[in-house]
Amino acid sequence: DADVTQTPRNRITKTGKRIMLECSQTKGHDRMYWYRQDPGLGLRLIYYSFDVKDINKGEISDGYSVSRQAQAKFSLSLESAIPNQTALYFCATSGGQGASYEQYFGPGTRLTVT
Amino acid sequence: GENVEQHPSTLSVQEGDSAVIKCTYSDSASNYFPWYKQELGKRPQLIIDIRSNVGEKKDQRIAVTLNKTAKHFSLHITETQPEDSAVYFCAASKNQGAQKLVFGQGTRLTINP
Repeated sequence: DADVTQTPRNRITKTGKRIMLECSQTKGHDRMYWYRQDPGLGLRLIYYSFDVKDINKGEISDGYSVSRQAQAKFSLSLESAIPNQTALYFCATSGGQGASYEQYFGPGTRLTVT
Repeated sequence: GENVEQHPSTLSVQEGDSAVIKCTYSDSASNYFPWYKQELGKRPQLIIDIRSNVGEKKDQRIAVTLNKTAKHFSLHITETQPEDSAVYFCAASKNQGAQKLVFGQGTRLTINP
């Protein structure tokens, strides 16, 4: 679904480096999410945002921060990357009150921390 | 908080047979249960969902059943085809404004020709 895009698609970085993953959407959705996917662990919620002024921690927010720069943009930062943050990261969006509950995922960013 | 357990972790069936994947949840307040399919190298996509006021929902070859008393729900795929091969994730949510989904661990389904 080209309506949700993520950059970069792949990234290799070193321990201790700061890195930012970006997500943009053209679906006009209010709600945006960041998940990480690890083999055998499913998708785990890192942060989510109702709208530009609302940021909420998910299940595994330690070591991560986010910024909602605009309704269409939601960025995830790793302030000081560590190897166990190596994972596949997905951004997702969903509509506002009264809309479908479906979450639309971006293509993912594969992050490797060495 | 909510915990979702999904079984089995891998499932292999012959083409044309049925496949069943089961999930249990811990929070009785959860009332929305979607299933996502993730093909190899692709993003997860919603295939079917059910709300707690419904016991069963069907869409062509896929169906989902919900047992609120036992706190479990299942995905049923009939007449399986090679394109059904993928990883399937169940999830649960309390539908509190933002859809804060808690996902199961995933089931890798392989359809053998």
